[in-house]
Amino acid sequence: QVQLQESGPGLVKPSETLSLTCTVSGGSISSYYWSWIRQPAGKGLEWIGRIYTSGSTNNNPSLKSRVTISVDTSKNQFSLKLSSVTAADTAVYYCARHRYYFGYWGQGTLVTVSS
Amino acid sequence: QSALTQPASVSGSPGQSITISCTGTSSDVGGYNYVSWYQQHPGKAPKLMIYDVSKRPSGVSNRFSGSKSGNTASLTISGLQAEDEADYYCSSYTSTTTRVFGGGTNLTVL
Repeated sequence: QVQLQESGPGLVKPSETLSLTCTVSGGSISSYYWSWIRQPAGKGLEWIGRIYTSGSTNNNPSLKSRVTISVDTSKNQFSLKLSSVTAADTAVYYCARHRYYFGYWGQGTLVTVSS
Repeated sequence: QSALTQPASVSGSPGQSITISCTGTSSDVGGYNYVSWYQQHPGKAPKLMIYDVSKRPSGVSNRFSGSKSGNTASLTISGLQAEDEADYYCSSYTSTTTRVFGGGTNLTVL
């Protein structure tokens, strides 16, 4: 059974860079698309961006210039960097595996942006 | 990209059927048969309920069904049960190969 686990700092200061890693277990990271999705408290889901295991990426246009997604197939991990964060970036961040639908999700990790 | 449009809330009594709509454009919902639906209970990660408009993953009750007409997709839950009370989100593939979610619908079982 494929499992995904997000990890990273739970608190980030304004203007700094948020960094999260998703570790995939129970299956290979190869030949799938991997996305980051976030959800502010009490609000809906927002797709942040995705990476294929070849390294090709595509991001939400509303966040595009601040988002970097990378993959390390040797570690079965992929990562998110979101630069210049503000309080509006406070959310639960999920990683997910997909092709045209998100079949596997991590449990989510809360990231708070505050000084 | 704009979020897909869903009603903020729907409600129904146990045993009844409800339908949640998800409206997009010809660049997402209307252009591809890649609409999926997710159920989310408080504090939990979303769970896939319907994919490719109308397909059910293994283990999902056949009380859940999906359809699409033009730029609007729909999720129908028949024989409502208390455990169905949750938030529901639609999602679609888009013409720019991004993904987009709906704003979410809160389902209350009366």
